[in-house]
Amino acid sequence: LAKTTQPISMDSYEGQEVNITCSHNNIATNDYITWYQQFPSQGPRFIIQGYKTKVTNEVASLFIPADRKSSTLSLPRVSLSDTAVYYCHTGNTGKLIFGQGTTLQVKP
Amino acid sequence: KAGVTQTPRYLIKTRGQQVTLSCSPISGHRSVSWYQQTPGQGLQFLFEYFSETQRNKGNFPGRFSGRQFSNSRSEMNVSTLELGDSALYLCASRGYGGLDTGELFFGEGSRLTVL
Repeated sequence: LAKTTQPISMDSYEGQEVNITCSHNNIATNDYITWYQQFPSQGPRFIIQGYKTKVTNEVASLFIPADRKSSTLSLPRVSLSDTAVYYCHTGNTGKLIFGQGTTLQVKP
Repeated sequence: KAGVTQTPRYLIKTRGQQVTLSCSPISGHRSVSWYQQTPGQGLQFLFEYFSETQRNKGNFPGRFSGRQFSNSRSEMNVSTLELGDSALYLCASRGYGGLDTGELFFGEGSRLTVL
């Protein structure tokens, strides 16, 4: 049963790069790693997904080491609107387990 | 393409009552999963349905149940409500079952308050 661990909270300033790391020691061979963003009173929304190495899209990068026991979400040059809770998720079948999430507070 | 729709958005119940929440997935999606979210507890997995069959269940008491209809719409029911059941209940759909990457599309949630 995959379980993820993330820092509970992080602070940053506008314009900085933010890296949030998630630990998933028991990730299964078939599991993908997905990150979601959630604003208050809204459902989470997809940010990025990967299986191994590095994935980049228009909003973030995802770094996954060879052993896949952790992953790092990188948000370049954050703005105030990036203040949200970020969830790391592993698994494509079975129980869809989420970690506690990381509350990112971006300050001006 | 319409997103995931959850109804009702807000509701208030009293202890001992029961409640039914509804979720309409994105058209063509056959998998629907449910989550409970309370402050400080993150997203707690309740259950997942695929093609009208419950595929997986989280660690919740039997008071929490669900079902899925042939059109993939899903309902969850909570009986004998307790104060601790107050939460945001989120539904998510995804396009495939089985071995897939499984991006989840979430609804806006149903916020339940138990008095």
